Amino acid sequence: EADIYQTPRYLVIGTGKKITLECSQTMGHDKMYWYQQDPGMELHLIHYSYGVNSTEKGDLSSESTVSRIRTEHFPLTLESARPSHTSQYLCASTRGQGGNTEAFFGQGTRLTVV
Amino acid sequence: AQSVTQPDIHITVSEGASLELRCNYSYGATPYLFWYVQSPGQGLQLLLKYFSGDTLVQGIKGFEAEFKRSQSSFNLRKPSVHWSDAAEYFCAVGSYNTDKLIFGTGTRLQVFP
Repeated sequence: EADIYQTPRYLVIGTGKKITLECSQTMGHDKMYWYQQDPGMELHLIHYSYGVNSTEKGDLSSESTVSRIRTEHFPLTLESARPSHTSQYLCASTRGQGGNTEAFFGQGTRLTVV
Repeated sequence: AQSVTQPDIHITVSEGASLELRCNYSYGATPYLFWYVQSPGQGLQLLLKYFSGDTLVQGIKGFEAEFKRSQSSFNLRKPSVHWSDAAEYFCAVGSYNTDKLIFGTGTRLQVFP
């Protein structure tokens, strides 16, 4: 069973609010990722990190930001939420080098901005 | 650039029937291939993966997949589907020179009793 946790699981929030989605893993993995998933659509990588103080933009442009101050923690922040941010956000982590390692996923945060 | 195509958006089968979910990839070299399953409201769980060697790989929950280089395919199969297999299934591709996975759009499996 994967030891990667996301909170909250569900969030309904008003437009203009600042929100932070939490992601923590206890596996000591260096690499962590944030994906955005809309219904019926593929997962889009929006942020990733190779380790502490390392953050990169993913393939899909996002207005969110991330930080990686500790190995186990990779929070995602939206400074001013908008209805277009409504989506499911999945956090993942991997160990090792290259693309041949299993990604462990959290259960996701379903965000609704009203 | 790498890409993954899952041609079937939605598949419905009867419990006990066989299942095949299609996945085609685009990549210049030998890819690393994965199948993940996502139950409603949950994250993704790895079913199986292919890196090299035997082209028929076995996974959890009775699933298997076959890598066919000539067809650029990595189809997922199960001989007898159970109602609990109803979920969304994602094919993904990675490579040796990147830490990122590229996902397909997913196939939603519905199982009727």
